[in-house]
Amino acid sequence: DTGVSQDPRHKITKRGQNVTFRCDPISEHNRLYWYRQTLGQGPEFLTYFQNEAQLEKSRLLSDRFSAERPKGSFSTLEIQRTEQGDSAMYLCASSPIGLARRSSYEQYFGPGTRLTVT
Amino acid sequence: AQSVAQPEDQVNVAEGNPLTVKCTYSVSGNPYLFWYVQYPNRGLQFLLKYITGDNLVKGSYGFEAEFNKSQTSFHLKKPSALVSDSALYFCAVRDGRGGFKTIFGAGTRLFVKA
Repeated sequence: DTGVSQDPRHKITKRGQNVTFRCDPISEHNRLYWYRQTLGQGPEFLTYFQNEAQLEKSRLLSDRFSAERPKGSFSTLEIQRTEQGDSAMYLCASSPIGLARRSSYEQYFGPGTRLTVT
Repeated sequence: AQSVAQPEDQVNVAEGNPLTVKCTYSVSGNPYLFWYVQYPNRGLQFLLKYITGDNLVKGSYGFEAEFNKSQTSFHLKKPSALVSDSALYFCAVRDGRGGFKTIFGAGTRLFVKA
């Protein structure tokens, strides 16, 4: 399967613990996005990477959240001191930079990591 | 600030009838508009996009959408609905002036009855 993969698919943790999620984008996709989705809502933008550079980060993202993409390939999203309000589906998406700038804006989503904070 | 509104939580349509799922948007610059579909227990899938050019864009599975600048709308349409089209549909917008943030609507659940 050459799509976007995410690991783990499910995570249950106790409040106050740290968690880390991994995303492997489609090979050669330069752009990588993280979103959070809660029940009944659309995906909410968290952050964006172009290669290894984090170019945009939502102001909604508290300092307990951090993301990295150290070699421009896979990415990790860490949540420190988890709270019950962090319970959600965390989605990763990637897209290529095409030869024509307008050709690459659609995003390819992974299956998500469902986080439950008890 | 960017925003997307999907005014209907749910749309019900009979198989074989045309369907429309509504979307309106607000963005400062030129809008880049998208529709995604989410089937049960599956990830979001890209359906179609409008970046520039013809206002009527065609996408996967026979879906199309019409960009209307004056009404700031980007409604999703299909001439003849299938039961298999039943899913959750999301409209999304990005500001074409720059920036990488994509804003999604809350979604519209489509039920197609046989």
